[in-house]
Amino acid sequence: AQTVTQSQPEMSVQEAETVTLSCTYDTSESDYYLFWYKQPPSRQMILVIRQEAYKQQNATENRFSVNFQKAAKSFSLKISDSQLGDAAMYFCAYRSLDDKIIFGKGTRLHILP
Amino acid sequence: GAGVSQTPSNKVTEKGKYVELRCDPISGHTALYWYRQSLGQGPEFLIYFQGTGAADDSGLPNDRFFAVRPEGSVSTLKIQRTERGDSAVYLCASSLQSGMNTEAFFGQGTRLTVV
Repeated sequence: AQTVTQSQPEMSVQEAETVTLSCTYDTSESDYYLFWYKQPPSRQMILVIRQEAYKQQNATENRFSVNFQKAAKSFSLKISDSQLGDAAMYFCAYRSLDDKIIFGKGTRLHILP
Repeated sequence: GAGVSQTPSNKVTEKGKYVELRCDPISGHTALYWYRQSLGQGPEFLIYFQGTGAADDSGLPNDRFFAVRPEGSVSTLKIQRTERGDSAVYLCASSLQSGMNTEAFFGQGTRLTVV
């Protein structure tokens, strides 16, 4: 069975600084997608960035980028120039052919002004 | 509506009662998912519909939980004989179609509290 592990329950970063959130996963499948979702207090999951396993190039969306290491089964999220609005729970997630999304336990990110 | 709508936003019920949680997906989305998020945890998969049929209900914890999507749009998650352990946020998501490369859009969830 696939699993997603986020080892950092909470993190803090100074506004305008860079922070990296860690995620590892376990799977025996070769084709899958990985995601980072943001969940603010409103509870709505918002897709931040996604990466297809077959693409070697790391995905980037404005201030958000990933470091995808397929062999190590690692998928970290880097947030550059952190802003107060980035404060939220961040979930790493995995999805494959069975279409279920498997989530990690999340990392709560605090932005310090 | 523009997004996935879930009603009610919050529901408090007494142990042993029956509850229904509703999800209105984005118009035209054929795939619909239900997740349960307990306090301090990530969402856990419950059931997924493709059209009217349940394509995968392997995440439903027991036979007290049931979900329907009779016309392929609105879905209702039904919980019988509620227990305090059922307290959680129930999230619904929809996708234009099934498939791991299609984006899933989430609603704001229903917070269920069983007292």
